[in-house]
Amino acid sequence: SQKIEQNSEALNIQEGKTATLTCNYTNYSPAYLQWYRQDPGRGPVFLLLIRENEKEKRKERLKVTFDTTLKQSLFHITASQPADSATYLCALGGAGSYQLTFGKGTKLSVIP
Amino acid sequence: GAGVSQTPSNKVTEKGKYVELRCDPISGHTALYWYRQSLGQGPEFLIYFQGTGAADDSGLPNDRFFAVRPEGSVSTLKIQRTERGDSAVYLCASSSGAGGITDTQYFGPGTRLTVL
Repeated sequence: SQKIEQNSEALNIQEGKTATLTCNYTNYSPAYLQWYRQDPGRGPVFLLLIRENEKEKRKERLKVTFDTTLKQSLFHITASQPADSATYLCALGGAGSYQLTFGKGTKLSVIP
Repeated sequence: GAGVSQTPSNKVTEKGKYVELRCDPISGHTALYWYRQSLGQGPEFLIYFQGTGAADDSGLPNDRFFAVRPEGSVSTLKIQRTERGDSAVYLCASSSGAGGITDTQYFGPGTRLTVL
């Protein structure tokens, strides 16, 4: 069955450092991958999308990579700030499908 | 502008009762999705509407769950004979429908359902 793993449930990082979150998947060939941010009591907020034929995407301080050989995506937040503290979810989508399959998320805490 | 809204924000019910959860999508969005998120888990897909029709309901766990979108705007998720295992946050999302499968989905705040 399809399986998505996000590297850890929680990640603590010092302010100003680069946070790196990992999303690994098995038994799946996604056409695209998305990253979302979720704050407590709120719905997820879309951050970035990367397609299977793209290696890297950037948006401001965010960078996503997608390696379909390793079946892995890395999500980087550079110059992290306490306001970046939240849970980050990766979600995979298949070709022709509107379904998103989400990982459990990684709770990031940026310590001042 | 207004985002996706969901009512109620919290619903407490007893085992065996019937509940309805409402979703108001962003105005003009033709695509609407329902997800369920249990504690410590990511959202789990339930159903996708394009306009008034359910284009994909493969995520509904069993026939106690049903969703409608009669006029292509507001949607209601209906759960019959609720069970304690149905307790979760039910999330609704909408998208414009113009971008295909990679349309950005905009999520509402969710309805927290607790079945006692």
